[in-house]
Amino acid sequence: DTAVSQTPKYLVTQMGNDKSIKCEQNLGHDTMYWYKQDSKKFLKIMFSYNNKELIINETVPNRFSPKSPDKAHLNLHINSLELGDSAVYFCASSGDGGRYGYTFGSGTRLTVV
Amino acid sequence: AQSVTQPDIHITVSEGASLELRCNYSYGATPYLFWYVQSPGQGLQLLLKYFSGDTLVQGIKGFEAEFKRSQSSFNLRKPSVHWSDAAEYFCAVGEDTNAGKSTFGDGTTLTVKP
Repeated sequence: DTAVSQTPKYLVTQMGNDKSIKCEQNLGHDTMYWYKQDSKKFLKIMFSYNNKELIINETVPNRFSPKSPDKAHLNLHINSLELGDSAVYFCASSGDGGRYGYTFGSGTRLTVV
Repeated sequence: AQSVTQPDIHITVSEGASLELRCNYSYGATPYLFWYVQSPGQGLQLLLKYFSGDTLVQGIKGFEAEFKRSQSSFNLRKPSVHWSDAAEYFCAVGEDTNAGKSTFGDGTTLTVKP
């Protein structure tokens, strides 16, 4: 049983396109996150939802729009993709307000050409 | 704002040798502290966590870490490294509010020599 699953695993697309990444967790956690890992492996938080409510919205271009239809799902839609958006995007979830740490998905490698 | 420093970008150890990865944090309150491991092409896996109680915490895969408040440190240790431990290691500090937001260090790459 995959605890946090992301699709697709790889995404190659042209500049200017719009794409979505989906994330689902079956752990019953209340909080879900999107993190971006750049080519130097630096991890930076983008968004967090708690029970479908947006809690964290870091300094991210408004081309990025998260959506949480229910507490088990958190999707990320990206408009007008740019070369600089190329990265690995990780979804994660946590229970108990994050004090027990995160469970990460396996990541989506986005390449913009 | 909270922050995490991992002073060592890259560490190489021989198989069977002991390992210590350093982590220093900055946070105004009692921190939640974590170590994660990332194998190539994989997501991050939680190795261990600290948020209260005994300052020496045991994790998976034979790892342990010690919280030292006076030094603002949370160093990761393993007495005998295996070749399969080669990976990227991240230290993180979590907030107890703000949806449990975790801030990650820049990571330490561990290479294991045969």
